[in-house]
Amino acid sequence: DARVTQTPRHKVTEMGQEVTMRCQPILGHNTVFWYRQTMMQGLELLAYFRNRAPLDDSGMPKDRFSAEMPDATLATLKIQPSEPRDSAVYFCASGPNSNQPQHFGDGTRLSIL
Amino acid sequence: QQQVKQSPQSLIVQKGGISIINCAYENTAFDYFPWYQQFPGKGPALLIAIRPDVSEKKEGRFTISFNKSAKQFSLHIMDSQPGDSATYFCAAIYSGNTGKLIFGQGTTLQVKP
Repeated sequence: DARVTQTPRHKVTEMGQEVTMRCQPILGHNTVFWYRQTMMQGLELLAYFRNRAPLDDSGMPKDRFSAEMPDATLATLKIQPSEPRDSAVYFCASGPNSNQPQHFGDGTRLSIL
Repeated sequence: QQQVKQSPQSLIVQKGGISIINCAYENTAFDYFPWYQQFPGKGPALLIAIRPDVSEKKEGRFTISFNKSAKQFSLHIMDSQPGDSATYFCAAIYSGNTGKLIFGQGTTLQVKP
């Protein structure tokens, strides 16, 4: 059963540190999305890619967040420097094409102290 | 601006009862409406989805009803079971070539034994 794989599953670090979250999309999926989930804001779209090209990253704080797809099997989301308000669960999702529902990974639970 | 409004925020149903979650949207550019189920510590999982040219779709105990003129759709869970206790999100996808999911706020369902 194909799945989106995210690593690490949990990350605790101190404010100011760099955080890198990784995602392996389902093989053959050409769209990749990054979401952040908090109790207050729910699920927020941060960025998304189609065929590895960034389409929209308007949901990301540009000064500290960056998202890339170095190749078709890896997507990364980086935060530098991290802040306590970045504490959340970050989900990666991939889809077979732009008009089909996405499949989510199990997330990275990030805690910034 | 919340483009997909979901209600209720929480729902308690007795085992064997019917759970009903409602969503409404404004943007007529949406053309695909998936529902996701999320258990604690897991990512949202695609449950069932519908296109606006269909008024109803049923998969097992889960049914989506769609009212295009009213711009509303709902999820019905028949014979609700304690294992259905989870958070449910409705969502909408823009037509065209973006694949961008817009989520409702989520409904926490508790099914009592």
